[in-house]
Amino acid sequence: GQSLEQPSEVTAVEGAIVQINCTYQTSGFYGLSWYQQHDGGAPTFLSYNALDGLEETGRFSSFLSRSDSYGYLLLQELQMKDSASYFCAVRDGGDDKIIFGKGTRLHILP
Amino acid sequence: DSGVTQTPKHLITATGQRVTLRCSPRSGDLSVYWYQQSLDQGLQFLIQYYNGEERAKGNILERFSAQQFPDLHSELNLSSLELGDSALYFCASSVRGGRDTEAFFGQGTRLTVV
Repeated sequence: GQSLEQPSEVTAVEGAIVQINCTYQTSGFYGLSWYQQHDGGAPTFLSYNALDGLEETGRFSSFLSRSDSYGYLLLQELQMKDSASYFCAVRDGGDDKIIFGKGTRLHILP
Repeated sequence: DSGVTQTPKHLITATGQRVTLRCSPRSGDLSVYWYQQSLDQGLQFLIQYYNGEERAKGNILERFSAQQFPDLHSELNLSSLELGDSALYFCASSVRGGRDTEAFFGQGTRLTVV
């Protein structure tokens, strides 16, 4: 089976940097993705890592270590609009379903 | 706008009733996924279709069923509804062979069972 573990909540200050971790167990691994979801909204795709290392997209970066079955999402220069839930996700190796972690709610303090 | 359309946006119905949720995927996307999200819960995978065929099944209740039609739109049928079925139901679509796990979500249908 597959499982993804991530913290349920993280709190950070506006302008600071925050890291959201995700560890995973899958039967077949292709890559790790991150999604953002604002309250009442739809999840939106942020990033995808198939290879080890850091991928940067503006203020957001995502990291993967395949040997450690671990990844993280790094958010820099936090803004109040970044207050949302963040989900890591993997595609199941046996079929095509996309499995999500339970999500990390990011609280940003002014 | 993700390009995925879900209708209706809101649905209020009584216990024991049956409802149908509809999803139109992005143009060109062959895969459709259905997820259930209860209050403060994650995205629970229900079922996936690819080009009209069931591709993967999650923890979908026997009271729930789905299908994907030749025009690729999909419907999720929920029957004998219970209070606990109240949730946000999302449909997502993706292109098979595209960037892995990049799925595009509709705005969801909020189902309230009273």
